[in-house]
Amino acid sequence: DVVMTQSPLSLPVTFGQPASISCRSSQSLVSSDGTTYLNWFQQRPGQSPRRLIYKVSNRDSGVPDRFSGSGSGTDFTLKISRVEAEDVGVYYCMQATHWPYTFGQGTKLEIK
Amino acid sequence: EVQLVQSGGGLVKPGGSLRLSCAASGFTFSNAWVNWVRQAPGKGLECVGRIKSKTDGGTTDYAAPVKGRFTISRDDSKNTLYLQMNSLKTEDTAVYYCTYYTLYWGQGTVVTVSS
Repeated sequence: DVVMTQSPLSLPVTFGQPASISCRSSQSLVSSDGTTYLNWFQQRPGQSPRRLIYKVSNRDSGVPDRFSGSGSGTDFTLKISRVEAEDVGVYYCMQATHWPYTFGQGTKLEIK
Repeated sequence: EVQLVQSGGGLVKPGGSLRLSCAASGFTFSNAWVNWVRQAPGKGLECVGRIKSKTDGGTTDYAAPVKGRFTISRDDSKNTLYLQMNSLKTEDTAVYYCTYYTLYWGQGTVVTVSS
C-alpha cells in the first residue's frame, strides 16, 4: 500500500498567520492517465471529513481561497495563507491513484 | 442537493454481523463509484472498500484488513449502498462513512464490537 506521511502532526498557529502542511507518498501518485489524484480534507470535531482540494491544487466549491494546494510526484503541500478560527481541526492528505486509497496520519491545527 | 444518509450500526459481539446502509439522493447513483471509509476512536481515516458503477463492471475492492469478511453491494433501484460486515473483530470498532467521489460524505454511523 502507498504510505502517506504528513508533517507536522501538530500545528499551533496564531490567528492571521500562515500555516503549511507537508504530505509525502511512498511512491509516485501520477496515474497512468497522467493525473495526480491527491486530495486534502479538513475534519472538524464531531463532523464528517470535508474535501478542500482535489487533484493536488483544485479548490472545491465553497472553500475559501486562503487554502491552496501544490506539489507533484511524491511531495505535496497544503497552505493556509491566514489562519482563521474556523480552520481549527485535523487535516488529512489522501491518495486516490493506487488502490487501496490511503490517508496521511492527520495534522491537528490549533490556535496558539 | 447531494445527500448520503446512513443507517444501521450499533453494538455487536466479536464474531457477529452487522449491515450498514447509505441512501443516496441528488445525483445519478447508478453511475457512481462509492466508497466506505472508517475512523477508529481517536484515530485517522481508513478506506475500507469501494464499488464501481455497473457500467464500469460493478466490481468491488477491499482493503486487506476487511477482505473476506466485509461485502459491499448496491441496489441502484433504491439508490442505496450497503456494507455487510461479518466475523467482526474488536478492531473494527469505528465510525463508518459512505462517500461519493470523496466530495460528498454521509453523517457517519458508529459500529462498536465488544463483548
